[in-house]
Amino acid sequence: DVKVTQSSRYLVKRTGEKVFLECVQDMDHENMFWYRQDPGLGLRLIYFSYDVKMKEKGDIPEGYSVSREKKERFSLILESASTNQTSMYLCASSPTGGGSYEQYFGPGTRLTVT
Amino acid sequence: QKEVEQNSGPLSVPEGAIASLNCTYSDRGSQSFFWYRQYSGKSPELIMFIYSNGDKEDGRFTAQLNKASQYVSLLIRDSQPSDSATYLCAVNLSGGSYIPTFGRGTSLIVHP
Repeated sequence: DVKVTQSSRYLVKRTGEKVFLECVQDMDHENMFWYRQDPGLGLRLIYFSYDVKMKEKGDIPEGYSVSREKKERFSLILESASTNQTSMYLCASSPTGGGSYEQYFGPGTRLTVT
Repeated sequence: QKEVEQNSGPLSVPEGAIASLNCTYSDRGSQSFFWYRQYSGKSPELIMFIYSNGDKEDGRFTAQLNKASQYVSLLIRDSQPSDSATYLCAVNLSGGSYIPTFGRGTSLIVHP
C-alpha cells in the first residue's frame, strides 16, 4: 500500500513564525503536491513538484515556498505565518508511469496560527 | 476555466439503499476520473478510478462514466452508516495533465 506521512497532525504557531511542514512518501512517486482545504472552498493547490529540485506554483502559492531535495520528501514552508494560513494542509503523491496519476494523500496537518 | 461540479448535498439515504453521487466536468478532453471518500476531519482516500466509458465495479461501489454527456457517477449499493462521508470527484484534464481538478464534494448521510 502507498503510504504518505506528514510530520504533524496538529500544529499551533504564532503569527510571524516560520513553519515547516514535511511530507514523505514511500512509493517512489515522481509527483508530489501540497494542498490546503478550507470549509466551503474545497481543495486548493499550493505547489507541486514533478521531480527532485523541481517545483511549480499552484493556484495559491503566495506566502508559501517548497523544497524537494529528495524524491520521497516534499516540504512546505510558511515564511512568516499569518492567521489566514490557519487551515488543513494535505500532502499527496502520484505516479507518472501508466498514465493513471491517481493521488494518495497523507493524513493532513491541521495548522492553527494565533 | 476547467470545472468539476458536484451537488454539495447533503444527500440522505436510508441504510441498505443505493446512493447515487454525480459529477459533471467541462473539459471534453478529460481522460481520467477519480472518486475519493473523505471522513470528517480526515484526508481524502481514493476509492475508485475510471478511464473508459461504461461501468466499473468494485465491491459495493460502481463508477459510471459517460464522456459524451460529460458526467461521472458513483453508485454505492447497500449503503451503510459507515459510508457517511464527503465524496470528492476529481478529473485529470486533457493533454496528459497529472494535476487533477477536484470538485467540492457531496456530503452523504446514511441513516439507520
